[in-house]
Amino acid sequence: DIVMTQSPASLTMSLGERATINCKSSQSVLYSSNNKDYLAWYQQKAGQPPKLIIHWASTRESGVPDRFSGSGSATDFTLTINNLQAEDVAVYYCQQYYTTPRTFGQGTKVEIK
Amino acid sequence: EVQLVESGGGSVTPGGSLRLSCAASGFTFSDAWMTWVRQAPGKGLEWVGRIRSKVHGGTTDYGAPVKGRFTISRDDSENILYLQMNSLKTEDTAFYYCTTEDGAAKSWGQGTLVFVST
Repeated sequence: DIVMTQSPASLTMSLGERATINCKSSQSVLYSSNNKDYLAWYQQKAGQPPKLIIHWASTRESGVPDRFSGSGSATDFTLTINNLQAEDVAVYYCQQYYTTPRTFGQGTKVEIK
Repeated sequence: EVQLVESGGGSVTPGGSLRLSCAASGFTFSDAWMTWVRQAPGKGLEWVGRIRSKVHGGTTDYGAPVKGRFTISRDDSENILYLQMNSLKTEDTAFYYCTTEDGAAKSWGQGTLVFVST
């Protein structure tokens, strides 16, 4: 199974700051035939189901604010939240969908100071 | 608008069975690959398994912790996804979410809680 490792486990930032979350996969999730990274990011707010915010490592879902961005390739990925807002308080998970079983990182909790 | 509504959760003793349902609307269910993801209270996300669309064989894949105990099926005439859970263990206690799969898990239901305890 592909192991997804996120860091840090939690982040406490001030409003307006930039939050950076890292995700590392134990093997490449880059599919060479289409040059796509099979990596997604989800946001889960308290008491709610997860919500897909980024897929293909860097493609924002419709309606997701452009302060959210994804980058990276192969085994190393980053979710960046620019200009952190109060409504961004949540747990963020990365997930590989390169192969089954799909696997998630352990999550990163983002809080506001 | 895509809607996924899970039902069937509840309390069960170890060794028991439960069947979860997920009623789908707002998209062509028969074309969709569907998954189940679970989350133990206060913990992270765990992929349970998925079912392909009938045109892609309708076959299933499962995560190791549930393989041989859980079965995913679908009724395309009723737009319902099922998760049959047998030989339940205390560690199966979790919220169970159904999702559409288009590569990533695109749309999620609100979840249903399964509690396995003596």
